[in-house]
Amino acid sequence: AQKITQTQPGMFVQEKEAVTLDCTYDTSDPSYGLFWYKQPSSGEMIFLIYQGSYDQQNATEGRYSLNFQKARKSANLVISASQLGDSAMYFCAMRERGNTPLVFGKGTRLSVIA
Amino acid sequence: DAGITQSPRHKVTETGTPVTLRCHQTENHRYMYWYRQDPGHGLRLIHYSYGVKDTDKGEVSDGYSVSRSKTEDFLLTLESATSSQTSVYFCAISEYSDEETQYFGPGTRLLVL
Repeated sequence: AQKITQTQPGMFVQEKEAVTLDCTYDTSDPSYGLFWYKQPSSGEMIFLIYQGSYDQQNATEGRYSLNFQKARKSANLVISASQLGDSAMYFCAMRERGNTPLVFGKGTRLSVIA
Repeated sequence: DAGITQSPRHKVTETGTPVTLRCHQTENHRYMYWYRQDPGHGLRLIHYSYGVKDTDKGEVSDGYSVSRSKTEDFLLTLESATSSQTSVYFCAISEYSDEETQYFGPGTRLLVL
C-alpha cells in the first residue's frame, strides 16, 4: 500500500493567489515526520517545511505552511501569494520512527500563471 | 547548502557494462542514501547506509550494490547496467534525529543504451 499519496499530478494557480497541494499518508507508527520538498526544472531537491506528528501547531516557513490534520492523515502544503518562481514539482515525504529513510509521494507539478 | 557532491553528473553507458556513482559529503553526517527518480514514480530508495560499512536495502535494490568505507563517501554500483536503470540518481544525507531532514545532492543523470 502506498504510504504517501499525492492525488494531484498537476495544478495551475494565478500569480499572487494561494494554492493548496494535497498529501495524505498512511502509517501505524505514532511517531513520524512529514516533509515537503520542491524540485524546480533545474533538478535540485529543496527542503521546504517539516511537521512532526506530536507538534501541536501547524508548521510555517515564510510563504509555506503545512495544514496538518492528524485524524484525517493529511499534510497539505499551502503556498500563499504564489510567485512565478514557485513553478516546480512538489514532493510530500514521510519518515516513521527513528532515522529511517524518507518515503516520497509521486509529486505534484505546480504551474504559476502570470 | 549541505556539502554534497555527486560524480559524475552525467553518464552514458552501454547495456552490460558496470557503472559506479559516487556521493561525497563534507558534513560528517552518519546517514547516506541513494534514490532514483523516474517519471510517475517520484523518488524511490535504492540503498542506504547508517554508518561506515553498515548498509541496508531499499525498495528498489535489485541490480544495485553499495559500499561505504569512509564516512564521507557512499558508492552506488550497477554491476551490469540495463536500460531499465536509466534514471536520475540522487544521493542524500542526514544526521540522527527524527526531525532532521535529508539534504540532497545535485543528482546524476544516467542513460543506459
